[in-house]
Amino acid sequence: KQEVTQIPAALSVPEGENLVLNCSFTDSAIYNLQWFRQDPGKGLTSLLLIQSSQREQTSGRLNASLDKSSGRSTLYIAASQPGDSATYLCAVRGYNQFYFGTGTSLTVIP
Amino acid sequence: DTGVSQDPRHKITKRGQNVTFRCDPISEHNRLYWYRQTLGQGPEFLTYFQNEAQLEKSRLLSDRFSAERPKGSFSTLEIQRTEQGDSAMYLCASSFRTELNEKLFFGSGTQLSVL
Repeated sequence: KQEVTQIPAALSVPEGENLVLNCSFTDSAIYNLQWFRQDPGKGLTSLLLIQSSQREQTSGRLNASLDKSSGRSTLYIAASQPGDSATYLCAVRGYNQFYFGTGTSLTVIP
Repeated sequence: DTGVSQDPRHKITKRGQNVTFRCDPISEHNRLYWYRQTLGQGPEFLTYFQNEAQLEKSRLLSDRFSAERPKGSFSTLEIQRTEQGDSAMYLCASSFRTELNEKLFFGSGTQLSVL
């Protein structure tokens, strides 16, 4: 069964810092990988989707990379802002299901 | 595109009562998923529909849980004889799945508290 791990579980950074969130998965046979943001008590908002054949996707200050062979993805956030404070989750798509990590809780300190 | 809607946003019930949640997916989406999420955890798969057909149900899901998606439109998730361990956020997601591409869109969730 696919296992998805996100380390660290929590991260606190000063405003303006660049940061990297990590996602690792055990089975490299994935169709795509999706990064989400979740605010407390809310649903998940999609940030970026990377197809299995892609290496990178960018949206504004966010850049996601995928190394399928090593079972890793990173989410790079440039010039962090207090509004970026949230939990970030990654999900990998298998044949019929999505498998989620437990997320990284990010706090950006003004 | 009005997004995925879930109702209610919050539900407080007493142990032993039945509850039903509703999810309205994005209209052209052919897949609908139900997940459960507890504090500090990622979403846990419950079941999914391809149009109106329920194709998979988690083995962790007890017989007290049932889901329907009549006519491939909205979906309902019912929990019978609720237990305190059922307290969680119940999330619905929809997608338009092709062989190579599928992107999930989530609703805001229903927060269930069982007293």
